[in-house]
Order: sequence, then C-alpha cells, then structure tokens
Amino acid sequence: SSELTQDPAVSVTLGQTVRITCQGASLATSYATWYQQKPGLAPKLVLYGKNSRPSGIPDRFSASKSGTGASLTITGAQAEDEADYYCSCRDNSRSRELFGGGTKVTVL
Amino acid sequence: QVQLEQWGAGLLKPSETLSLTCAVYGGSFSGYSWSWIRQAPGMGLEWIGEMNDSGSTNYNPSLMSRVAISLDTSKNQFTLGLTFVTAADTAVYFCARGGAERQRVTALRFSTFFYMDVWGRGTTVIVSS
Repeated sequence: SSELTQDPAVSVTLGQTVRITCQGASLATSYATWYQQKPGLAPKLVLYGKNSRPSGIPDRFSASKSGTGASLTITGAQAEDEADYYCSCRDNSRSRELFGGGTKVTVL
Repeated sequence: QVQLEQWGAGLLKPSETLSLTCAVYGGSFSGYSWSWIRQAPGMGLEWIGEMNDSGSTNYNPSLMSRVAISLDTSKNQFTLGLTFVTAADTAVYFCARGGAERQRVTALRFSTFFYMDVWGRGTTVIVSS
C-alpha cells in the first residue's frame, strides 16, 4: 500500500481541464513532485516544489497544495498528455521518497 | 545534457543477487543524489533508495535488509545490489539523478524540494526458477 493516495484513473476531453489529486500525511509539511510516464518509457519530471516546471514542460501543467493534499492541473489537455501521472514527496522523518499509486489520464 | 545508461543481468533465479549499474554521461556526481526506483509489471513506482555524492545512503525500509547502493566516482557509475531475490522482485528497475532546490514557501519560510530529473531507460529483471 502507498502512503500517498491517488485516484486510479481520470478522463478529460481534448482541450478541457483536468485535475489529478494526491493525498497523504507527508504532504502536510511538503509539496508534491509530479512525474509523467508513458507506456514503455521512464518517468519524466513535470512539476516540483511550489509550482516549478523543468525546461521543456508546457505551462499548461501547474501544481497546487492544500493541507495534506496536492494537485496537478492540466489546463487545455492535449492528446500527448495521455499518460500515467505519479505524485511523490519526501518523508523527512524517514529520509525516504514516497510515491503515489499513479493516475491514468485518458484524453478523449 | 546528462544521460544515464544502465545495464545488468535480466534473468535471475530465486535467492540470487541482483546487480545493476548506471553510468552517468555528460555530468558529475557532485551536488546530486543517485537513486534506484523499480516498477513491477502493471504496477506503480517503488523507490528503492539513494546515495548522495558524499556517500550517505537512504533506503526503503521494506528493502533495507537486502539492498546496497554504491558509487564509483572514478568511473562515474553507481550500482544497485539486491540480495536473496524472489519473484516479487521482478520489475523494471530505473536509475535516476536526484536534485534538491530550496524555495521560499512563505514570507518567512524556506523549504527544500526533492526531485528526480534524469532517468535511465530501465532494465527488466525477471526472477524465475
């Protein structure tokens, strides 16, 4: 079982907005990091910190946090955004990285 | 541009030791941590552990008794060892570079955020008798 909880799947119509949530006690004192993974490929960093995007990640990806929850929002979803998305955060009390179970995003 | 290339034995028998190596090209070890993550078939990501550039390690408590990560700075490589493997260790294993960034979160507070920004392509390891 994961200490970060994500909905298993969510769908979004092309061009619309979708929010992926992540819940866990460790998020009370930290922010989530978000990874995108497409079939057969390694995960790719898309968001970290308060709302930081690595070079090359479109600004339609944004992050937010409230209490013990975190969200990744895709504003104007594109077909290429269809993927699995994983949240993670550092459990500072144990110096380990936690991953959520992943959310499969389908773009209709 | 930093790239990670990984390799290792892909088929093991139960009770054998898994050994994977990840080579770092286009960058140095300094200032980063070096991690291993795995993904069982059809499942999510599981963090295995990390070693920072000063040699300190952190491991997933569920694997701590069997896992070891080491760095060879002369070769720009780091390795994963996992002893006494079982079928439950069948997975794709990824190496990754970890970074940390200090950001202001409120007017008076800073926090450090961790991320893994460069990943290897993954190595499939199957444990079967």
